[in-house]
Amino acid sequence: EVQLVESGGGLVQPGGSLRLSCAASGFTFSNYWMTWVRQAPGKGLEWVAHIKKDGSEKYYVDSVKGRFTISRDNAKNSLYLQMNSLRAEDTAVYYCVRGGGFTSDYWGQGTLVTVSS
Amino acid sequence: DVVMTQSPLSLPVTLGQPASISCRSSQSLVHSDGNTHLHWFHQRPGQSPRRLIYKVSNRDSGVPDRFSGSGSGTDFTLKISRVEAEDVGVYYCMQATHWPYTFGQGTKLEIK
Repeated sequence: EVQLVESGGGLVQPGGSLRLSCAASGFTFSNYWMTWVRQAPGKGLEWVAHIKKDGSEKYYVDSVKGRFTISRDNAKNSLYLQMNSLRAEDTAVYYCVRGGGFTSDYWGQGTLVTVSS
Repeated sequence: DVVMTQSPLSLPVTLGQPASISCRSSQSLVHSDGNTHLHWFHQRPGQSPRRLIYKVSNRDSGVPDRFSGSGSGTDFTLKISRVEAEDVGVYYCMQATHWPYTFGQGTKLEIK
């Protein structure tokens, strides 16, 4: 059974940093692109970033470019999102998703990031 | 960026009746690989999204056959032949042909 378990969310002040993790199981992690999608409270979905199977290619939505870094450790079956210079508008539930845009077939339960003073 | 426009945004439906959601894109979603990367997701209240349909019309494993997707180019539709109670929630279309990938605003289906 495919499982994606996010962690690392919490309350952080504007300008602060946070690192999200996603532990994957039930499939061969290194065979899939991986993605982070976020959802602000009561709002729709926004694709944040995705990363190639071997980590050699990374793509970011403009609103996070230069502030967020997606990475992965295939030996640990884990996906990460390092978030720096956080803003109030980054407040959202962050979902770990298996696959890139062509796939995006399994989603984790999400982790809430709240940016507030 | 490609703008995805869904309608209606709110969809009250009687149990057992059909439902239809439209999704229009601001550009053609035909990819250079020949595929149209238009997907549909369903998000029940308090849950994470679940993919229902991929590449316009392909149902995911375990998705009831009362769900169907159709369309081409810039115009797409998700249909539910007979709405059941478990179908409530928000439906999103998403395009993965052009970067950045974008979602529609969501259509909230509720039971009348």
